[in-house]
Amino acid sequence: AQSVTQLDSQVPVFEEAPVELRCNYSSSVSVYLFWYVQYPNQGLQLLLKYLSGSTLVKGINGFEAEFNKSQTSFHLRKPSVHISDTAEYFCAVRNAGGTSYGKLTFGQGTILTVHP
Amino acid sequence: NAGVTQTPKFQVLKTGQSMTLQCAQDMNHNSMYWYRQDPGMGLRLIYYSASEGTTDKGEVPNGYNVSRLNKREFSLRLESAAPSQTSVYFCASSGVAGYEQYFGPGTRLTVT
Repeated sequence: AQSVTQLDSQVPVFEEAPVELRCNYSSSVSVYLFWYVQYPNQGLQLLLKYLSGSTLVKGINGFEAEFNKSQTSFHLRKPSVHISDTAEYFCAVRNAGGTSYGKLTFGQGTILTVHP
Repeated sequence: NAGVTQTPKFQVLKTGQSMTLQCAQDMNHNSMYWYRQDPGMGLRLIYYSASEGTTDKGEVPNGYNVSRLNKREFSLRLESAAPSQTSVYFCASSGVAGYEQYFGPGTRLTVT
């Protein structure tokens, strides 16, 4: 079984400051990792994904994440946030192979609030 | 290209009533999923359909049934709604590789 832990339920930050949203996972097999964003009253939108290769992946809206296999982490970062980044962010994991049929396991979510 | 659509957007039910949530995708995806979202719990998988004609239970299937009507449509039915089923329900789909899932806008359900 897999699990995902997002270490902060809420992260307040001022506009133009850097931010890191932390995600740790547990799995006995190789995994694919994802970050999704949910703006108020909307569905989830993919920010970025790690499948293989370079451990630093870049996504939309200036976000990036680094896969650290030894620490089983996939933290999300942005060097300078905007008011429009205020949203809830979800980390998710799935088996890299086998018959998982693409099933995702989600973390609990981190609410990022950007203050002016 | 609408992506994943869900109906209705909002619904209020009384305890014991039944209803069906509809989901459709126009991306020719094989796999479809139903999740529920509750505060502080992330998204939890209710049921999924790996391909047309197959369905399987996810993490929290009790109280729900599903139908994969065709490749495009995947419905979720609550036979006898309970207050514990008050939640936001999301449908999602993914292609053959299943690398990423595409989500609908959600249905906000309240059971009184």
